[in-house]
Amino acid sequence: GQQLNQSPQSMFIQEGEDVSMNCTSSSIFNTWLWYKQDPGEGPVLLIALYKAGELTSNGRLTAQFGITRKDSFLNISASIPSDVGIYFCAGLNYGGSQGNLIFGKGTKLSVKP
Amino acid sequence: NAGVTQTPKFQVLKTGQSMTLQCAQDMNHEYMSWYRQDPGMGLRLIHYSVGAGITDQGEVPNGYNVSRSTTEDFPLRLLSAAPSQTSVYFCASSGTGRLDQYFGAGTRLSVL
Repeated sequence: GQQLNQSPQSMFIQEGEDVSMNCTSSSIFNTWLWYKQDPGEGPVLLIALYKAGELTSNGRLTAQFGITRKDSFLNISASIPSDVGIYFCAGLNYGGSQGNLIFGKGTKLSVKP
Repeated sequence: NAGVTQTPKFQVLKTGQSMTLQCAQDMNHEYMSWYRQDPGMGLRLIHYSVGAGITDQGEVPNGYNVSRSTTEDFPLRLLSAAPSQTSVYFCASSGTGRLDQYFGAGTRLSVL
């Protein structure tokens, strides 16, 4: 089946630093979603991207839908302790239904105060 | 606002036992799904439903059954639990034509 390669697997950063993570695929996707999961909770949607080249911000978070439709990245600026958690990308390939949403394996973010 | 509610939050089963994980949403969403989350594996789709009376298999359906008799509820049944089914299970829902899913808080299941 299709897979999303999400990197890095984990990050340890200092408070105030910027963070960048990405997802790549060998297949074309027409939708990219970014979720955050806090410990003991379900994932929460951060940003949704629907067009190639689209750049969308949500506060300190910025995500982009790659021009090739095979990748997406998420940036977090000026990290704070509450940014700790696992970040997941998810993609939907062209013509797929909601049942074809594929998740990456996640990037675990740790922030040192 | 309740959103997506999963019960129970924790469950311990013995091998061979059966149980049902409950999921309910109050947003009138047509689409509902079940995922399992294992360390290092991300979220994997078990079953999903695009509306009452309609269900389909996801990536890892074996050992699980679902039904969708109402828009609000989407229970997941384990007929004969196995240790390989030890995992955290998440239910999610979204509106028709929308891909942004809302997740419940999860059920942590251990099968001994």
